[in-house]
Amino acid sequence: RKEVEQDPGPFNVPEGATVAFNCTYSNSASQSFFWYRQDCRKEPKLLMSVYSSGNEDGRFTAQLNRASQYISLLIRDSKLSDSATYLCVSRGAAGNKLTFGGGTRVLVKP
Amino acid sequence: NAGVTQTPKFRVLKTGQSMTLLCAQDMNHEYMYWYRQDPGMGLRLIHYSVGEGTTAKGEVPDGYNVSRLKKQNFLLGLESAAPSQTSVYFCASTQDFNQPQHFGDGTRLSIL
Repeated sequence: RKEVEQDPGPFNVPEGATVAFNCTYSNSASQSFFWYRQDCRKEPKLLMSVYSSGNEDGRFTAQLNRASQYISLLIRDSKLSDSATYLCVSRGAAGNKLTFGGGTRVLVKP
Repeated sequence: NAGVTQTPKFRVLKTGQSMTLLCAQDMNHEYMYWYRQDPGMGLRLIHYSVGEGTTAKGEVPDGYNVSRLKKQNFLLGLESAAPSQTSVYFCASTQDFNQPQHFGDGTRLSIL
């Protein structure tokens, strides 16, 4: 089993709609989590950090459920520019390294 | 402010050739990382460094070597390139491992 798992998608989302997807992690000692956004053939860029139960930044909300070991990302009022691959990342107890999920692809369509 | 710069951006090699990928950061970050990204696999850590003069193995270190002689530079070497090393390579850095990593824009490497 991969340490961080994501549904690869794609999630086809009408413009203006809400989309949510989860990421599960197997290492219960993971300290913190991040959501990165990656556009096609580009480098990953930080979307938001998730240190406690969750975080909200504008149209984006991340929630952490330690009991069930998953993190969710919700995007409200989807824009065409939200089309990207969203990478879930965990930081383990040792702290030096991050573990990346395979990414969830989101396609927002007019 | 350039951030994290990777050189070269593209390269095609023949099997058995050697090359070095350069990562340079101007943010005075302590930690630096080399990842490879293959379709459907996400980013996998090759090697990393927690400070000048230090290196450590990541998840997929075989076939690669690294050096961190200067704090701002982290070099990734392929001594004898193999087709399985065809990938996109990303370098990243961070000052504190509690903080997110900053990525370079990648090196696309093809080995024939």
